[in-house]
Amino acid sequence: DAEITQSPRHKITETGRQVTLACHQTWNHNNMFWYRQDLGHGLRLIHYSYGVQDTNKGEVSDGYSVSRSNTEDLPLTLESAASSQTSVYFCASSGSSFQETQYFGPGTRLLVL
Amino acid sequence: EDQVTQSPEALRLQEGESSSLNCSYTVSGLRGLFWYRQDPGKGPEFLFTLYSAGEEKEKERLKATLTKKESLLHITAPKPEDSATYLCAVQNSGYALNFGKGTSLLVTP
Repeated sequence: DAEITQSPRHKITETGRQVTLACHQTWNHNNMFWYRQDLGHGLRLIHYSYGVQDTNKGEVSDGYSVSRSNTEDLPLTLESAASSQTSVYFCASSGSSFQETQYFGPGTRLLVL
Repeated sequence: EDQVTQSPEALRLQEGESSSLNCSYTVSGLRGLFWYRQDPGKGPEFLFTLYSAGEEKEKERLKATLTKKESLLHITAPKPEDSATYLCAVQNSGYALNFGKGTSLLVTP
């Protein structure tokens, strides 16, 4: 069965360190998304990609970057981790037609000390 | 600016006590309204997509409806296993979703 996986599932890091969160999907979806989820804010869009070599900024993109070198993967990099980036991060993917379902990964819980 | 507001923030029901969750939205050019269920420590799980006002969809004890201003998720005779956070999201001009903050539902035996 097709799926979307994230790694690591839990991560503790220190302020100022670079951190990369992995996202891998086997749906062969063109669209991939990164969201963060915080109490009181719901899910907020960080970055998204509509295909290989395509990346776009979302609502809360400051301090984050992504790159898309193949269809299956969209890694999220925190350039210099800050305590404000402590959150739960979800990756999602969808097909190329509007209204297609977005499927979510299990999430990565990140703690920045 | 698109806005999605879910109410109530939290809801406690007795098993068998039916109720509705509300998702109010303001968006230019709605392409779709999505409902997800999220269990603690897990990613959102897709429930429904509604595309146009007047549309209804059902799945087991859940029924979702859509008007031009809101969507209701009605839960009929809920069971404890229906306890979860229910998320509403809208899609307008792009592929990304704009989520509400969710309604946390607790169903007690």
